[in-house]
Amino acid sequence: DAGVIQSPRHEVTEMGQEVTLRCKPISGHDYLFWYRQTMMRGLELLIYFNNNVPIDDSGMPEDRFSAKMPNASFSTLKIQPSEPRDSAVYFCASKQGFGGYTFGSGTRLTVV
Amino acid sequence: ILNVEQSPQSLHVQEGDSTNFTCSFPSSNFYALHWYRWETAKSPEALFVMTLNGDEKKKGRISATLNTKEGYSYLYIKGSQPEDSATYLCAFNNAGNMLTFGGGTRLMVKP
Repeated sequence: DAGVIQSPRHEVTEMGQEVTLRCKPISGHDYLFWYRQTMMRGLELLIYFNNNVPIDDSGMPEDRFSAKMPNASFSTLKIQPSEPRDSAVYFCASKQGFGGYTFGSGTRLTVV
Repeated sequence: ILNVEQSPQSLHVQEGDSTNFTCSFPSSNFYALHWYRWETAKSPEALFVMTLNGDEKKKGRISATLNTKEGYSYLYIKGSQPEDSATYLCAFNNAGNMLTFGGGTRLMVKP
C-alpha cells in the first residue's frame, strides 16, 4: 500500500480564494482524520470520519472550513474563502479500528 | 479539553549523549499512549503504542515507559545521533477514536 496520500504537497493561494485539499486513506482503514499543524497551536484535530460519516467536527475553526468524504477512498478539506491565518500544514491520517494512525505527508498551505 | 503536555519544548544535545523527555496526560479514562517521531517536511512516524501501566517498549536506541496511574510517559534515547534530530510527539487516546497530541519536544543532536 502506498500509505496515506495527500495532494497537493504545497499550495500557495491569494486571500479570498477557495482551496481544496485532498486525501486518499489507506485501503481498508475505516477512520479518517484531518489535522492542522501550526507553530502556535501544534497539531489540532479539525474533523474525523468513521465509515465516511463525519463524527466530530468541533475542531473546524469556522464556517469557512468544510470537509467531505464521499467514499471510503477519498476525502476533501475545503476552505472558502481562504485567509492568511489559515496558512499551516494540513495532515490527513487514517486508521483501522483501534490501531495507530498513519499520517500523510501533509499539504503546506500558504495564503498571501 | 484534554491536557497533554510535553517537556522540554526543545532540547539540544551532543552526539553520543543520552537524553529523555516527558509526556504528561490525564490519568483517567486511559486507553493508550502513542509516541511519534516527526522529521521536518515528513509525516509523523509511529514509534510506540503503549497501553498497560508499567509498559516499557524499545526500538533500537529508543525506549519508552508508561505510568498510567500518575499520567506520564518518558521517552529515552541512548547515545543520540544527528539522525535522531526530530520532533517527538506523544498522543493520548482515551478509549475514543481521537488522539490528543502534546506540543512535541524538538530534539537537535549536534555532531
